[in-house]
Amino acid sequence: DAGVTQSPTHLIKTRGQQVTLRCSPKSGHDTVSWYQQALGQGPQFIFQYYEEEERQRGNFPDRFSGHQFPNYSSELNVNALLLGDSALYLCASSLGTGVSKETQYFGPGTRLLVL
Amino acid sequence: ILNVEQSPQSLHVQEGDSTNFTCSFPSSNFYALHWYRWETAKSPEALFVMTLNGDEKKKGRISATLNTKEGYSYLYIKGSQPEDSATYLCAFIGGTSYGKLTFGQGTILTVHP
Repeated sequence: DAGVTQSPTHLIKTRGQQVTLRCSPKSGHDTVSWYQQALGQGPQFIFQYYEEEERQRGNFPDRFSGHQFPNYSSELNVNALLLGDSALYLCASSLGTGVSKETQYFGPGTRLLVL
Repeated sequence: ILNVEQSPQSLHVQEGDSTNFTCSFPSSNFYALHWYRWETAKSPEALFVMTLNGDEKKKGRISATLNTKEGYSYLYIKGSQPEDSATYLCAFIGGTSYGKLTFGQGTILTVHP
């Protein structure tokens, strides 16, 4: 059983560009959450998708948007990239029912560098 | 803004030592606390999901306790091994969220042979 997968593993962009990151959840999982981890900090919640809709959102600007597909995979889009968007982006999957007490399984992350 | 604090920030121990670290979280509106272990270049690995005051969970040489009334959890590692070297993260879930994890900054553990 493949766990959570993310692509690409690394990415370099320049300021002002747009980027799309992808996540495939663990088999059987229907909920995908995205987190940003800046250097020296714990991961910060960006948003969560369930049944193709954004269910909850963290304190991130509208430049951060997402999508969930019928097969439960998800994309994270960031527009108008800033230097401060350089970080590791993690995707986590879980089962939607009772999600707060369910284990969330993380992917290995996408390392984004904005120059 | 929720405040989840972990201490110490980093820890160096010798192989065979037992160690423990702390996660502090808001004592009000508690729903669950997750512990993760994160080795370099790998995915964070779930260790425990703790939900009830007084919970104690164990996985091999690693165990955790939970005190929701005072807002803290301890993670213990008995007889540390070099392969235990990792960042240990705790994450709090409040009662009004659908699994939104609020993480501490982590404790970096290095076990020297």
